[in-house]
Amino acid sequence: DQQVKQNSPSLSVQEGRISILNCDYTNSMFDYFLWYKKYPAEGPTFLISISSIKDKNEDGRFTVFLNKSAKHLSLHIVPSQPGDSAVYFCAASGSNFGNEKLTFGTGTRLTIIP
Amino acid sequence: DAMVIQNPRYQVTQFGKPVTLSCSQTLNHNVMYWYQQKSSQAPKLLFHYYDKDFNNEADTPDNFQSRRPNTSFCFLDIRSPGLGDAAMYLCATSRDTSYEQYFGPGTRLTVT
Repeated sequence: DQQVKQNSPSLSVQEGRISILNCDYTNSMFDYFLWYKKYPAEGPTFLISISSIKDKNEDGRFTVFLNKSAKHLSLHIVPSQPGDSAVYFCAASGSNFGNEKLTFGTGTRLTIIP
Repeated sequence: DAMVIQNPRYQVTQFGKPVTLSCSQTLNHNVMYWYQQKSSQAPKLLFHYYDKDFNNEADTPDNFQSRRPNTSFCFLDIRSPGLGDAAMYLCATSRDTSYEQYFGPGTRLTVT
């Protein structure tokens, strides 16, 4: 049972435009969400996170939005740059899961077109 | 500077031949994790150490074992690899109750 879902395996966006990556979750006990970015031949690197007490967190070009009622979060990248081309993983956890174990989605491959 | 190091990056082993993957960290984090990731799938947690306490996931096969001789090193032992164990194995660390995990580059395991 996939508790964290990223339904778009891939996304292509023109350079300079906004990239929107989506993530849905099913477990209402999740209360902390993270986005990781992964380049080929490298491990995932932490990008941005959000706690369930917030509905938005912004860090430079990256903004994560959380809609708890819809169990949905999204990552916005604006403006998109060629270096943003990577696989993006959504992950979820919570204080009820012990030692902050993360449940990952399957990832979305983002390609920025110059 | 590399913070979570995994060796080797690529490992080929024969069906049924034991193999060990290693992970080391320079972050002095007390929690270390091992994930298995197959193509187009989400990373799947196998087990983790909180300090010296070993925590196995319920669905991790007995074929997979782990050792953590000290804070810096953690090993993944696959006692009798099957073809289905071919995957990328990711090591990660975190500090205490921080949700943020730091990943190594992974070891890609091929089973022939």
